[in-house]
Amino acid sequence: AQTVTQSQPEMSVQEAETVTLSCTYDTSENNYYLFWYKQPPSRQMILVIRQEAYKQQNATENRFSVNFQKAAKSFSLKISDSQLGDTAMYFCAFMKGNNNAGNMLTFGGGTRLMVKP
Amino acid sequence: ETGVTQTPRHLVMGMTNKKSLKCEQHLGHNAMYWYKQSAKKPLELMFVYNFKEQTENNSVPSRFSPECPNSSHLFLHLHTLQPEDSALYLCASSQVARGNYGYTFGSGTRLTVV
Repeated sequence: AQTVTQSQPEMSVQEAETVTLSCTYDTSENNYYLFWYKQPPSRQMILVIRQEAYKQQNATENRFSVNFQKAAKSFSLKISDSQLGDTAMYFCAFMKGNNNAGNMLTFGGGTRLMVKP
Repeated sequence: ETGVTQTPRHLVMGMTNKKSLKCEQHLGHNAMYWYKQSAKKPLELMFVYNFKEQTENNSVPSRFSPECPNSSHLFLHLHTLQPEDSALYLCASSQVARGNYGYTFGSGTRLTVV
């Protein structure tokens, strides 16, 4: 079974600064995918960024980037130029590859991020 | 509008009531999921439907009964719930075997059992 751990229950950052959210995971799989989801107060989970384990290059999406360290099983999210709209819960998630029974996501416990003006 | 719609948005029910949660996706996905999100706990996978067939039941009590009549609709039938079942119930969909691009979620149903 896979586990995902987010060791920072809460974080805060000043607007326009950079913040990094941590995530570690445990798996015996070699083919898998990692995700960061954002859940604002509206409750809807929104995909922020996705990483394929077989790709060494770190994924980036505008102000969001990851530091994927496969050997260390670490997958941190960096948010640059933080904006007030980035205030939300952030969830790290793991998905096995080649699972034709359904792509089951395993989530970490979440990190509550507050962006301060 | 994200393509996954959940109704109702809020639900208050007594322990003897029977109610249903509805989820509808307009994305052409072939898999649908129910997750439970409780305070201070990680999201818990409840059920998975792949091409309308249930492929995962994560040891969920029988007072929760899923139904997937077609690949666009998913229901969660509730009966004789307990107060600890109060939570946010999230529905999601995905396209299996297409690069695993993750889920699209609905906005959830906030359930309160009194």
